[in-house]
Amino acid sequence: DTAVSQTPKYLVTQMGNDKSIKCEQNLGHDTMYWYKQDSKKFLKIMFSYNNKELIINETVPNRFSPKSPDKAHLNLHINSLELGDSAVYFCASSQDRGVAFFGQGTRLTVV
Amino acid sequence: AQSVSQHNHHVILSEAASLELGCNYSYGGTVNLFWYVQYPGQHLQLLLKYFSGDPLVKGIKGFEAEFIKSKFSFNLRKPSVQWSDTAEYFCAVRGPMFSGGYNKLIFGAGTRLAVHP
Repeated sequence: DTAVSQTPKYLVTQMGNDKSIKCEQNLGHDTMYWYKQDSKKFLKIMFSYNNKELIINETVPNRFSPKSPDKAHLNLHINSLELGDSAVYFCASSQDRGVAFFGQGTRLTVV
Repeated sequence: AQSVSQHNHHVILSEAASLELGCNYSYGGTVNLFWYVQYPGQHLQLLLKYFSGDPLVKGIKGFEAEFIKSKFSFNLRKPSVQWSDTAEYFCAVRGPMFSGGYNKLIFGAGTRLAVHP
C-alpha cells in the first residue's frame, strides 16, 4: 500500500492554464507538506499544513493555493501556469516530530 | 539565514570505494538531522536520522552518519559503495528555531553520487 500518493505522476500543460495536483496519505499523520524540486534537484518547501491548518507558506506566489479538506489530503492548485513552474512537486507527511515520508512526485512541464 | 550545506555536489567512485558526504548546518541549539536518498526517477527515501543520544547513527543499506555538534556537521559514510548506490543524497535539518518550528524540514542542495562498476 502506498503511504503517500500523488496524482497525476506526470502533467504537461500550456502556459496560462490552471491545474491541480492531489495528495493523500494513509499513515494517520497530522502534518503534510508540498515541496518543489527544480531542475538542479534543489528541494524547497512551499507549504506545510498541520491538522488542516496552514503553518508554513514560504513566499510562494499566490497563484499556488493549497487546500486541505481533511488531514489525510493536501491538494495543490496552480493558476495561470508559467514556464518557471516546471518542476517536480513532492508531497510529504509526518507525525509530530517524526520522519517525513514523501510521495512519488508529480513532474509538471509547462510548455 | 537558515542553511544546510552539502559540500560535494557531484561524487564519482568505483565500486568498493569508501564514501563520505559532507553536511553542515548553520544553527545552534536542538536540531533533528536526516539523510535522504533519491534513486533515479524515484521519490525521497529516508536513509537515517538523528534526534538525540548516540551521535553515530546507523541507517539502511550499510550507511552511517556522525553528528558532531561542535562542528555543526552530520556527515554520511559508507565503507564500501556498490553500483546500486548511484543516486542523489540529501541532508536535511529541522528544529524549533526555524519559522514553522518542527514543521519545516530544510534540505541541502544534494550530492549526486555515481558509482562505476
